[in-house]
Amino acid sequence: GQNIDQPTEMTATEGAIVQINCTYQTSGFNGLFWYQQHAGEAPTFLSYNVLDGLEEKGRFSSFLSRSKGYSYLLLKELQMKDSASYLCAVPDAGRRALTFGSGTRLQVQP
Amino acid sequence: DSGVTQTPKHLITATGQRVTLRCSPRSGDLSVYWYQQSLDQGLQFLIQYYNGEERAKGNILERFSAQQFPDLHSELNLSSLELGDSALYFCASSVVENEQFFGPGTRLTVL
Repeated sequence: GQNIDQPTEMTATEGAIVQINCTYQTSGFNGLFWYQQHAGEAPTFLSYNVLDGLEEKGRFSSFLSRSKGYSYLLLKELQMKDSASYLCAVPDAGRRALTFGSGTRLQVQP
Repeated sequence: DSGVTQTPKHLITATGQRVTLRCSPRSGDLSVYWYQQSLDQGLQFLIQYYNGEERAKGNILERFSAQQFPDLHSELNLSSLELGDSALYFCASSVVENEQFFGPGTRLTVL
């Protein structure tokens, strides 16, 4: 089976940096995804990590440590529009469906 | 815009009724996935189709069924609806398994 843990809520200030953590247990690792979801809208793909290390993409970076079953999403220069839920997800052992964490609701304050 | 379309956007119906949700994947994507998102739960995988055939099943109730047609669009059928079926239903598609692109969702309200 698979299990994913993320903090439920986080608050940060506009212009700051925030790190959203995700720990996972999976029977066969096939990478880790991060999605952003604004309330009532579709999840949108942010990043995919399959190798250890940090991958940077503009203001967003994602880190993976396979040995620790740990990932984080780093958001820099926070903007009000970054207020959303951030979902960590891992594919099942058959590389098919995604198992999602319950998501971290980020609120960016002025 | 992910390129995945879903209809209808909103659906309001009564308990005991049956509804059909429709999804058109991105051009070229052979895989279609259905997910349910309730207020108190995260995204739950329901079922996957690949090129017309069922590929994987998740927490899908027996009252629910799906199919994928030759033109690759997919339909999710929900029957004997209960209040607890009220949720957002998302369809996602991919060409390579894993990287999924989500449609805008159908918000189902069962009264």
